[in-house]
Amino acid sequence: DAGITQSPRHKVTETGTPVTLRCHQTENHRYMYWYRQDPGHGLRLIHYSYGVKDTDKGEVSDGYSVSRSKTEDFLLTLESATSSQTSVYFCAISERLAGDSYEQYFGPGTRLTVT
Amino acid sequence: LAKTTQPISMDSYEGQEVNITCSHNNIATNDYITWYQQFPSQGPRFIIQGYKTKVTNEVASLFIPADRKSSTLSLPRVSLSDTAVYYCLVGDTGGFKTIFGAGTRLFVKA
Repeated sequence: DAGITQSPRHKVTETGTPVTLRCHQTENHRYMYWYRQDPGHGLRLIHYSYGVKDTDKGEVSDGYSVSRSKTEDFLLTLESATSSQTSVYFCAISERLAGDSYEQYFGPGTRLTVT
Repeated sequence: LAKTTQPISMDSYEGQEVNITCSHNNIATNDYITWYQQFPSQGPRFIIQGYKTKVTNEVASLFIPADRKSSTLSLPRVSLSDTAVYYCLVGDTGGFKTIFGAGTRLFVKA
């Protein structure tokens, strides 16, 4: 399995509090992603990074910010958590393969509950 | 962005071959087709990827017709442990613009 860890694995927080989730990789992959997955749904891309300090918005970026100061770490911050952000958050990494293709490796997920 | 359409669920029996078809009518010229498998409480896991024709690896085959508007994931001789959700993705290099649909929930029975 790819070397991806997420912390914390579980978190319960109150509405209005800031929350930061951490993704750490040991593969030295260039690309990193944050997704959220809600019950019965596929994953939705929140933000992604294509290098240190290079990030961009995904499909559902409102209410989230990210930072990547080192290749191995990608942080996701909920500035002021809301109940609608209760979800499972997955981090992923990828690197460009031969022929312009890619393969994403996913972390174990963080289950966040906002009460 | 190329969206995908897959059956919501499928049932099969151990030892059978399972074919899951994905429709992606708006696939772009440089898009690859990728399939992932997800078990409960785990992140998705890469199964196979292709651009055209047929790709085979140790766990699955991927069939892509010439027009690339659909693709079929073939799982030979499934077992109970293949019960999972299978996602078809179509996307550009890096996966920045890929979209996960709801996936196909495969249930393998004994």
